[in-house]
Amino acid sequence: DTEVTQTPKHLVMGMTNKKSLKCEQHMGHRAMYWYKQKAKKPPELMFVYSYEKLSINESVPSRFSPECPNSSLLNLHLHALQPEDSALYLCASSPTPDRLNEQFFGPGTRLTVL
Amino acid sequence: GQSLEQPSEVTAVEGAIVQINCTYQTSGFYGLSWYQQHDGGAPTFLSYNALDGLEETGRFSSFLSRSDSYGYLLLQELQMKDSASYFCAVEGLMDSNYQLIWGAGTKLIIKP
Repeated sequence: DTEVTQTPKHLVMGMTNKKSLKCEQHMGHRAMYWYKQKAKKPPELMFVYSYEKLSINESVPSRFSPECPNSSLLNLHLHALQPEDSALYLCASSPTPDRLNEQFFGPGTRLTVL
Repeated sequence: GQSLEQPSEVTAVEGAIVQINCTYQTSGFYGLSWYQQHDGGAPTFLSYNALDGLEETGRFSSFLSRSDSYGYLLLQELQMKDSASYFCAVEGLMDSNYQLIWGAGTKLIIKP
């Protein structure tokens, strides 16, 4: 299994909703990443988990809350989002935290905040 | 500061060769990666250079010159399916964290 899966593919939510994005990989990778990508822009790093511990939080607002229940799973909990948070949310993994160039990306969740 | 420069858009003809350049200014450089992203899709890893020189993978090649802080992606025998955005990304230090620093992307348009 050489892929990263993400659910849901699309999500529409209101500003008062609470929702979660899910990411899963079974490649034995020990680093997992959340990125946000706006149209025609590069991916923007949000969080990094190294060996299931949060190692990087790129000053992301607290309405985004990551969670890494185990080495295969990564969640992103969303609460009280703003319309400007609408974007493609990408999950990625790499074998170890220092092998950044070997990131495998999931297909992403297209999020729309109304 | 950290910066990567690449052209915003490149147009080429099917069957031709195209080169996408990337210049960078970063701290703690470790290597240069290239990713391809089709509209609506996820980035896909293409190639990686840690040392100077040319790396070839099928129709795609990537070059790095560390002394010039410069690299390029070369696509040969262009096919319509190569129409996509191409990002260069550098492994470097940002705010004391080791992470990928991305260029703004180059949209490659291929005409028949």
